[in-house]
Amino acid sequence: DVKVTQSSRYLVKRTGEKVFLECVQDMDHENMFWYRQDPGLGLRLIYFSYDVKMKEKGDIPEGYSVSREKKERFSLILESASTNQTSMYLCASSFADRNQPQHFGDGTRLSIL
Amino acid sequence: KNQVEQSPQSLIILEGKNCTLQCNYTVSPFSNLRWYKQDTGRGPVSLTIMTFSENTKSNGRYTATLDADTKQSSLHITASQLSDSASYICVVSAGQAGTALIFGKGTTLSVSS
Repeated sequence: DVKVTQSSRYLVKRTGEKVFLECVQDMDHENMFWYRQDPGLGLRLIYFSYDVKMKEKGDIPEGYSVSREKKERFSLILESASTNQTSMYLCASSFADRNQPQHFGDGTRLSIL
Repeated sequence: KNQVEQSPQSLIILEGKNCTLQCNYTVSPFSNLRWYKQDTGRGPVSLTIMTFSENTKSNGRYTATLDADTKQSSLHITASQLSDSASYICVVSAGQAGTALIFGKGTTLSVSS
């Protein structure tokens, strides 16, 4: 069974802090994604990566960066956390085949105070 | 502009009844259409993926249909169970690479006894 593991289920940080969210997948997937999910807005893509050290901006990359040094791990970084980044963050992975589904982690609920 | 619209926004049904959720999209070029189920506090889980040439796909009590001409899809749930209470998200994949995913905002289904 595919497993996508996010490092924390809940996280509370202060404004201005640098925040790291980690995601690990165990299925040798080429693609990895970071989304945020807010009530009434659905899932919005922040960044994705289709290979090690490769990254592409999604719809809302401002205030975020990512790192993919190993195939199984994809990190989301909030450079200087702000209250409007309080949200549910979801990581997903998939094979490169466009007709394969994404597999999601259970999310990190991040609160910025 | 690529868009995915889902209806209704929310739905309440009695256990054992059937229901149908709708998804209309304006996405080009179309690659595939996906339905996901998201339980409260969990990440989305894939139910079906349909390509342009497929018009019906089943996964247990879930049956998805696709009409590529009218750009509409539906998800039919048969003999609903309490565990079907969740958010159902329609996602359309655009382009050759399949990494351009346009998410609907979801339909929240509540099944009561």
